[in-house]
Amino acid sequence: EIVLTQSPATLSLSPGERATLSCRASQSVGSFLAWYQQRPGQAPSLLIYDASNRATAIPARFSGSGSGTDFTLTISSLEPEDFAVYYCQQRSNWPPTFGQGTKVEIK
Amino acid sequence: EVQLLESGGGLVQPGGSLRLSCATSGFTFSSYAMSWVRQAPGKGLEWVSTITGSGGSTYYADSVKGRFTISRDDSKNTLYLQTNSLRAEDSALYYCAKDKGYNGNYLVDYWGQGTLVTVSS
Repeated sequence: EIVLTQSPATLSLSPGERATLSCRASQSVGSFLAWYQQRPGQAPSLLIYDASNRATAIPARFSGSGSGTDFTLTISSLEPEDFAVYYCQQRSNWPPTFGQGTKVEIK
Repeated sequence: EVQLLESGGGLVQPGGSLRLSCATSGFTFSSYAMSWVRQAPGKGLEWVSTITGSGGSTYYADSVKGRFTISRDDSKNTLYLQTNSLRAEDSALYYCAKDKGYNGNYLVDYWGQGTLVTVSS
């Protein structure tokens, strides 16, 4: 199965700062890479799909890029509600797999 | 408004069984593949199983193959997961997940709030 490795494990930033999260795949997933946000005590929610497409109602401060094995999620200016755990997920091969998550915490 | 409501979780002994259910509303259930994704306490996400919109194809993670069975009842807009021969490592919050497509895009656009399964003696 495809292994997704996210870095860093934890990102400590202040509101208003830019967040850059990385996801690396053990083999090419093309553009079949999604990002999810999970706030404490809540289910995940879809942010980005197919590497760079924002899901419905996702603010423009969230953007995704990359293809093949290297992907990035960027949050241009952190809002208080953005402090959460972010997971990448590939859907190129069965089984779909998730990265281990990056926690974005308040500095 | 899309709603997914899981039920059926609980405490079960190793080797036991549970049937998880996911009642849905707010969308045309029969037009979408559905999945179960689980999350052990304090851990990451693991894809468990998917069933296509027709119900004709099902897919399982190796960790549950032969022990879990996914099914759907389109007349009741309900998804199921029959879990047998449960192990301690199956303990997790089980999320019902709506796929963006019919045949299984493995892309979740809506999630339930989860039902907790605890396997312990």
